[in-house]
This record gives sequence, structure tokens and C-alpha cells, in this order.
Amino acid sequence: KAGVTQTPRYLIKTRGQQVTLSCSPISGHRSVSWYQQTPGQGLQFLFEYFSETQRNKGNFPGRFSGRQFSNSRSEMNVSTLELGDSALYLCASSSTGTGVYEQYFGPGTRLTVT
Amino acid sequence: AQSVTQPDIHITVSEGASLELRCNYSYGATPYLFWYVQSPGQGLQLLLKYFSGDTLVQGIKGFEAEFKRSQSSFNLRKPSVHWSDAAEYFCAVGLYNQGGKLIFGQGTELSVKP
Repeated sequence: KAGVTQTPRYLIKTRGQQVTLSCSPISGHRSVSWYQQTPGQGLQFLFEYFSETQRNKGNFPGRFSGRQFSNSRSEMNVSTLELGDSALYLCASSSTGTGVYEQYFGPGTRLTVT
Repeated sequence: AQSVTQPDIHITVSEGASLELRCNYSYGATPYLFWYVQSPGQGLQLLLKYFSGDTLVQGIKGFEAEFKRSQSSFNLRKPSVHWSDAAEYFCAVGLYNQGGKLIFGQGTELSVKP
């Protein structure tokens, strides 16, 4: 079974621009979560989507948004980029939808904001 | 608030030596605990998880972890380290009914001396 894929793998944007990152979960997985990883803040939860609905949200400003499509693929969008948004963005998928469950991570998208 | 602490930022061990990485959590309810490993430029790979039952859990790559409720700890161990184990290790807690949200520790970077 193919793993979680993320595109693009690397991205360079200018402050003030917006960016869209894509995540394709493992086939059959319906939950997709997004995380931001930076050297200073570590791994922080952004949001989770399950069956096209946002189910959980972390403490990030409204510039960070996401969505999930009927095939479970997910996108996250960051508008009005700031230098501090430079990070590795990881998505993770899971097959189940209740309780607590293990997540499988993709390789990440490295975003650099200049 | 829930939190995960990994006291050791960086550990160096000799190849063939034993390893223990520490993890302490703060969470009022039953914890669901995970260890992930991240190699440079890669996403996170799940090593093992604890949901309930036997407090000593076995994972992939010869790793094991022991849950100690009285000490709020979930330490990762390996009897004999291989050079390929050099990576960053993350402990995480899952929150019940917030299944897609993991709280991560800051990570422990492991170096292996030949």
C-alpha cells in the first residue's frame, strides 16, 4: 500500500503571498491531520479533517486553513505568509475516526518564506 | 494543560550500547502514548504505541517502551543500538476523543558513535 504523499516537497514563497499544500492519505484512510514543525516550537497540531469536516483545530491564526475532499485528499492553505511560517508541514492519515488512533505521516513539505 | 516532556535534547551512545530515552507526560485522563522516529529530511515513523493492557510494549526495529503510571513516564529502550538508529525521537500523547490531535515532546536527537 502506498504511504502518505505530500506535494510539493519544497516550496519557496515571498512574505505576503499565499500557499497551498496538498496531502494524499493512505488508501482507505479518512482522517487527515496537519502539523507544523519548526526548530523553536517543535511539532504543533494545526487541524484534523475527517469525512470532509474539520474536527479538531490547534492554536493557529485564521491565516491557516484547510479542507478535505470526498476522496479524503486534503489541502492546507496559508494566506499572507510571514517569515515565521517557514517550517516543515507534515500531514498524517489514519483509518479510524473515534477515540485515539495511530497516525501515519508523510515526508512533509518544506516551506521557506523570504 | 496536556504536555509531554523529553528531558534530554541530545544523547550520544556507542554502537552496541543500550539506550533509554525518557518521556514524561502530563494528562489527567488515561494517556494514549506513542514514540515516533524522524530521520533527516523524512517524516515521522511510528515505533510503538501504548493504549492499554501490558505496560511493556514492543515496537519495530527492536525498540520497546514501558508505561509507568505512577511516574507519568513512557521511556523508550533498546538493548543494543545500531548506527542506523541515529535520528530524532519524539514522544507523543493522544487525547481521547480528539483522535487526530497529538501533543509532541520537543524531541531527543540520538547520535551513535562507532
